[in-house]
Amino acid sequence: QKEVEQNSGPLSVPEGAIASLNCTYSDRGSQSFFWYRQYSGKSPELIMSIYSNGDKEDGRFTAQLNKASQYVSLLIRDSQPSDSATYLCAAASGGSYIPTFGRGTSLIVHP
Amino acid sequence: KAGVTQTPRYLIKTRGQQVTLSCSPISGHRSVSWYQQTPGQGLQFLFEYFSETQRNKGNFPGRFSGRQFSNSRSEMNVSTLELGDSALYLCASSLGGALALSHEQFFGPGTRLTVL
Repeated sequence: QKEVEQNSGPLSVPEGAIASLNCTYSDRGSQSFFWYRQYSGKSPELIMSIYSNGDKEDGRFTAQLNKASQYVSLLIRDSQPSDSATYLCAAASGGSYIPTFGRGTSLIVHP
Repeated sequence: KAGVTQTPRYLIKTRGQQVTLSCSPISGHRSVSWYQQTPGQGLQFLFEYFSETQRNKGNFPGRFSGRQFSNSRSEMNVSTLELGDSALYLCASSLGGALALSHEQFFGPGTRLTVL
């Protein structure tokens, strides 16, 4: 059974710090990886996609992928209180079309 | 480009009733997936439709069904509602192809269903 594991948190960081969110996946055939942000009472919003090993940067966000370790991470630089949300990690394999989602990590950025 | 839309946004039903939820995907997207989200269970996959055919199915009872129309719009139906069906129902659209980029899913705002 395909699984995506995340620490539920909450992860609490001060404003301006780097928040580091981590995720592991069980299916070695996974080829697509996604990070979603979900505010309380709202739907998930896709913030990053990564498909190859290494880092991918987009503004204050950096996604890191290590397929050998089956590990994905999301770094948020200069964290803001508006970044406080639940972050969902997802992985998809070529034959499935449907991402498997983790349960999410709650991030709290305090002033 | 317009995003994914879902109607209605809120629903209140009583046990035993049935409900139909609607989803319009992003233009050009042929895959529509449905999820149930509850605080205790997280995001649970219901089913996926691609080109009017159910292509993937999660582990939900037969009371949950869906369909997709030729314009890629999709509906989800829940019959004989139970109290445990109270949840946020999310629709997500994607290109639906085999390429990795096609796996990106974009979610609608959801329908909040309350069963009394």
